[in-house]
Amino acid sequence: QSVLTQPPSASGTPGQRVTISCSGSSSNIGSNYVYWYQQLPGTAPKLLIYSNNQRPSGVPDRFSGSKSGTSASLAINGLQSEDEADYYCAAWDDSLNGRYVFGTGTKVTVL
Amino acid sequence: EVQLVESGGGLVQPGGSLRLSCAASGFTFNTYWMSWVRQAPGKGLEWVASIKQDGSEKYYVDSVKGRFTISRDNAKNSLYLQMNSLRVEDTAVYYCARDRVGAAQGVVYYYYMDVWGKGTTVTVSS
Repeated sequence: QSVLTQPPSASGTPGQRVTISCSGSSSNIGSNYVYWYQQLPGTAPKLLIYSNNQRPSGVPDRFSGSKSGTSASLAINGLQSEDEADYYCAAWDDSLNGRYVFGTGTKVTVL
Repeated sequence: EVQLVESGGGLVQPGGSLRLSCAASGFTFNTYWMSWVRQAPGKGLEWVASIKQDGSEKYYVDSVKGRFTISRDNAKNSLYLQMNSLRVEDTAVYYCARDRVGAAQGVVYYYYMDVWGKGTTVTVSS
């Protein structure tokens, strides 16, 4: 099972702000960067945020990431219908000789 | 265009074997770590295995150690996953991914997947 915990769902109306939390521990989020991936229905995951708060080229600036201690958050400002997707946080975990861990995933619904 | 294309998935009985392939194009394959990530039906993402640029280092999630082997052929720009002793719980879509890794002297500074393939489906069932 995943060591990074996310709420199973989040929702908002178009234009609203939605935030997704990701809770970890000292061996992952507490000591390493956090990454966020977006998975649109029926497609492969896509890198959304890297190194806590950096956006790859092409990712709209309405997506932002932050980290504090052993938790992280993804915010979507000005929610749009095309943002309806599953979102996963991830981080390197220093325990057990190192491994990459994903969060449990959050389904964002645009009402 | 940077592209990863997986192949080799299919239906296999428990205890059987399967070999997945991933063809890379549009970037200098031998300068990147590569990974396999899977997603069981209706479930979340799970990192499976990773391999260093020259194949000298390989890492696996505990649940596949001793059963799966990750490898690469840089001359063919290809990544592979040999899966033996397959179990029902290995049923998933398997994604090939390009890694961005910053590490020195055993310390990982950053690690993420910046390019993903579309995936290949593996079904383990009798």
